[in-house]
Amino acid sequence: SQTIHQWPATLVQPVGSPLSLECTVEGTSNPNLYWYRQAAGRGLQLLFYSVGIGQISSEVPQNLSASRPQDRQFILSSKKLLLSDSGFYLCACSHGTGAYEQYFGPGTRLTVT
Amino acid sequence: AQTVTQSQPEMSVQEAETVTLSCTYDTSENNYYLFWYKQPPSRQMILVIRQEAYKQQNATENRFSVNFQKAAKSFSLKISDSQLGDTAMYFCAFIAGTYKYIFGTGTRLKVLA
Repeated sequence: SQTIHQWPATLVQPVGSPLSLECTVEGTSNPNLYWYRQAAGRGLQLLFYSVGIGQISSEVPQNLSASRPQDRQFILSSKKLLLSDSGFYLCACSHGTGAYEQYFGPGTRLTVT
Repeated sequence: AQTVTQSQPEMSVQEAETVTLSCTYDTSENNYYLFWYKQPPSRQMILVIRQEAYKQQNATENRFSVNFQKAAKSFSLKISDSQLGDTAMYFCAFIAGTYKYIFGTGTRLKVLA
């Protein structure tokens, strides 16, 4: 079964600073990869998903971008953080099209000050 | 548009009792998959149960079972013999032939000792 790693686990960054969150997947190949953001006590907001290397679909136009340089690596970035970027960021993976469950990483808690 | 609705923001249940969490969804697709995820205070998302729409039999996983009513587009989760460790946010999710999972807003369940 797959294992999803995310780092860092916790991050405090000032407004205007850059961001790079990394997600890597072990134990599988050709996964679909996802970035979600979750505000405290709220639901999941899909930010980006990728079905292959270099293929990124953006769901919400905002201050963030994503890249997939390798099959099992998914990176979330920002050039200049905003206060509204604070939240809990979850990476997830799945396989195939619409038939299988997603598996989630442990998440990164980002606080922008 | 495909939507998932969880109408109970918060619920509580006494330890060892049974509780049912509600979920309704809307789709024009005939083949789809439904999931319940649990997010404990650690915020790790854990798959609880999965249901294929083409199966009439309700899915069961130990103390967790679902009541899937396809015509009514209802997918409720029943937790029997509730335990303190069941305290968590519970998310209903749906996918139909795409890469995008649709999540409800969640139900916060508290199990009382």
